[in-house]
Amino acid sequence: QKEVEQDPGPLSVPEGAIVSLNCTYSNSAFQYFMWYRQYSRKGPELLMYTYSSGNKEDGRFTAQVDKSSKYISLFIRDSQPSDSATYLCAMSFIQGAQKLVFGQGTRLTINP
Amino acid sequence: GAVVSQHPSWVICKSGTSVKIECRSLDFQATTMFWYRQFPKQSLMLMATSNEGSKATYEQGVEKDKFLINHASLTLSTLTVTSAHPEDSSFYICSARSGQGAAGSPLHFGNGTRLTVT
Repeated sequence: QKEVEQDPGPLSVPEGAIVSLNCTYSNSAFQYFMWYRQYSRKGPELLMYTYSSGNKEDGRFTAQVDKSSKYISLFIRDSQPSDSATYLCAMSFIQGAQKLVFGQGTRLTINP
Repeated sequence: GAVVSQHPSWVICKSGTSVKIECRSLDFQATTMFWYRQFPKQSLMLMATSNEGSKATYEQGVEKDKFLINHASLTLSTLTVTSAHPEDSSFYICSARSGQGAAGSPLHFGNGTRLTVT
């Protein structure tokens, strides 16, 4: 079993739709949770960064963490064609190794 | 926000030659940088952790003699792929933590280097 599971998609939705991206994880020691957006042939760009359970909103993006279920989500409202990219979830421990553990990434296409 | 610059963005080299990739933190100091490798349509795989002023820490299965890492200053880490072979062709991405490297602080990535070995 992978430490972090993410549906690779591809996911295709019409412009303006609400997009829900999800990751599950197995290690309850994860405390920091991130979402990255990666355009083709570019490095990942940090979108959202959260600590422990709860919600965080930034513009059209909302990150949600449910530690009891070991489940994190990223919601994109009013999706735009420019949101088309691969979205990677990542997480790390509060102490010890500073490495990030990534999900496989979900390829998202927003159709105009 | 924190910026990580990576150079070159792409490189083509002949089999048997060596290639050096640079990673710079432009507006913050990074005592630790990370080197990742990404194959098409796959997630990032951590290769090694680069520590300023000391030896890099390599992940299991990564050949340290093939992937030489030097972290000579707080803003620069280099990855040298020695005696490159076609199977080394990949997308190499470096990253660094802002927030003075505190555990859990965000990781920022460079734009990657696409290496093609012919």
